[in-house]
Amino acid sequence: QQQVKQSPQSLIVQKGGISIINCAYENTAFDYFPWYQQFPGKGPALLIAIRPDVSEKKEGRFTISFNKSAKQFSLHIMDSQPGDSATYFCAASYQGGSEKLVFGKGTKLTVNP
Amino acid sequence: NAGVTQTPKFRILKIGQSMTLQCTQDMNHNYMYWYRQDPGMGLKLIYYSVGAGITDKGEVPNGYNVSRSTTEDFPLRLELAAPSQTSVYFCASSLGQGGSPLHFGNGTRLTVT
Repeated sequence: QQQVKQSPQSLIVQKGGISIINCAYENTAFDYFPWYQQFPGKGPALLIAIRPDVSEKKEGRFTISFNKSAKQFSLHIMDSQPGDSATYFCAASYQGGSEKLVFGKGTKLTVNP
Repeated sequence: NAGVTQTPKFRILKIGQSMTLQCTQDMNHNYMYWYRQDPGMGLKLIYYSVGAGITDKGEVPNGYNVSRSTTEDFPLRLELAAPSQTSVYFCASSLGQGGSPLHFGNGTRLTVT
């Protein structure tokens, strides 16, 4: 079964710290790895995404690191802010197909002021 | 643009009752999806549609039905509601092309008692 394993389940970070969320996958056919951010009472929204032809992608304070040989990818949030407090989902799909997107179980991030 | 709109926001059903969760989008997206979100379990795909008149099962379709008569609307029907269907339901849409993001509604919280 196609799976994406996400850890940790919850994370508490102090303001200004670095938040790191990890994901691992099994299916080597996966070729698209997005991260979604969800605030309470809202639907998830795309935060950042990467394809396996690059090892890192950075957008502002958010960076995806990708290790193809280890079949792992991670989200780093630099200078974490209380407004970053949300649930983060990693996901993966193959053939770029949105209908084949498989989500991790989510990480609830709390950034303390 | 309103994006993806879901109604109702909350609903309580008795076991055995039926209901339809409504979803409409104004982005002219061909692809639409229904997910359910349970605490600590991530997002599970129930059904999806790649265009009007075309629907297909996702990972957890049992107990649900869908139809797609127009590009804009993708209702989810629950027949004979069961406590296991207590969840938060999210509708989403996308262009469907490789790497196109999913746009989620704000969800319907359903309780079956």
